[in-house]
Amino acid sequence: GNSVTQMEGPVTLSEEAFLTINCTYTATGYPSLFWYVQYPGEGLQLLLKATKADDKGSNKGFEATYRKETTSFHLEKGSVQVSDSAVYFCALRTGGFKTIFGAGTRLFVKA
Amino acid sequence: EADIYQTPRYLVIGTGKKITLECSQTMGHDKMYWYQQDPGMELHLIHYSYGVNSTEKGDLSSESTVSRIRTEHFPLTLESARPSHTSQYLCASSVTGTGYNTEAFFGQGTRLTVV
Repeated sequence: GNSVTQMEGPVTLSEEAFLTINCTYTATGYPSLFWYVQYPGEGLQLLLKATKADDKGSNKGFEATYRKETTSFHLEKGSVQVSDSAVYFCALRTGGFKTIFGAGTRLFVKA
Repeated sequence: EADIYQTPRYLVIGTGKKITLECSQTMGHDKMYWYQQDPGMELHLIHYSYGVNSTEKGDLSSESTVSRIRTEHFPLTLESARPSHTSQYLCASSVTGTGYNTEAFFGQGTRLTVV
C-alpha cells in the first residue's frame, strides 16, 4: 500500500543553520507530494508541493525536489529562523481521495 | 488563506455528555475529512465525505459519527464522551475534478478534553 516515512524528531537547530528533513515514500502509480507545516495550536498549512518527477516545490525559503528514482521528497532550508519552529508533515496523494501523511517531524530552532 | 472553520477551538466536557464539533468551509469543496491527531502528532483519518449525503469511515475506527447534509458543513458527533476521546480533531476539505495534485485545506482544530 501507499505510505510515507519521514525522519524522527525532534530536530533541534540553532538559528541560521541548514535544515534537512528526510522523507521517502512508497506508492503505486505517480503520486503528488506535499509538505505541510503545523504551528503550535494550529491546523496544518500547505508549505509546498510537487506533482511530477523532478519538480521542485518551494515556498518561504523551503525547497523539496520530487525524486522518483530514490522515491524521496526531502525538505531543505538554507537558514532557519526561530519562527520556523513547528511540526512538518510529508504527505502524498494518488488517484484516490485520501492524503497519506507521515508521522511528522518536530523542529525546534534556538536563537 | 484557507476558509475552513472549526468550533469550538477548545472544549472540556464531562464523561457521558453528547458533543458536536462543527466544521464549515466556504470554498465549495465537495470532499471533506476528519482527522484525529494524537499527542505524538500522527494524523489518523476517522471520517470522510465525497459530497452531500455521502459519509464513510476512515482508517482509524472511531465511536464518533458524521453527517453531510450541506456541502459546506461536516459536523462530528460523539453521543457519549469518554476520556479516551481526549484528542485534537482536525477538519479538512479538498476540491475534486482536477485530479490528485490539489492539496487539502485544514481548519485550526478542536482540542477536546473529556474529564
